[in-house]
Amino acid sequence: DAGVTQSPTHLIKTRGQQVTLRCSPKSGHDTVSWYQQALGQGPQFIFQYYEEEERQRGNFPDRFSGHQFPNYSSELNVNALLLGDSALYLCASSFYNEQFFGPGTRLTVL
Amino acid sequence: ELKVEQNPLFLSMQEGKNYTIYCNYSTTSDRLYWYRQDPGKSLESLFVLLSNGAVKQEGRLMASLDTKARLSTLHITAAVHDLSATYFCAVGVGSQGNLIFGKGTKLSVKP
Repeated sequence: DAGVTQSPTHLIKTRGQQVTLRCSPKSGHDTVSWYQQALGQGPQFIFQYYEEEERQRGNFPDRFSGHQFPNYSSELNVNALLLGDSALYLCASSFYNEQFFGPGTRLTVL
Repeated sequence: ELKVEQNPLFLSMQEGKNYTIYCNYSTTSDRLYWYRQDPGKSLESLFVLLSNGAVKQEGRLMASLDTKARLSTLHITAAVHDLSATYFCAVGVGSQGNLIFGKGTKLSVKP
């Protein structure tokens, strides 16, 4: 079992650009959640996808959007990047009560 | 709004000593998680606590949950250097699995 995978590992963008991050869940997991972790902070919930629909959303602006595909993989899109969007973006897949986190994508906005 | 508070935020320990990390949360939840994070790495699941009075142990770490007090503890026994990391507690919100995290406790174990 490959576990949760994310791509790319690192990404550098400039302000105003758009970015897409990708996540493949653990085998058998149908729910994908995205979190943003700023340096020195705990992860913050962005949104969760289940059956290709956004099921729950945290306190993030509409610039953050996502998608889930029929194979349960997911994308996180961020438009009009700001310096404050620089963070580690974590994807977690879940089945019932346990969430497993991927290795993350480190996004740097210059 | 659910708030999760951990203390201490920084903990420097000597090898062989015992210590406890506390996690308080502000509203009712029946799911409490502990994760470990090494620098630059992702989150590793340590414990999932699903009921009042739940206690789980793995090696030198033991976690417990008191849902009435809205308190979970992570106890470290006879610390070793390999336990140096940041430890997060997280509380499950509703039935959908959304987690609210504390700020983390950065643990440094010195010889």
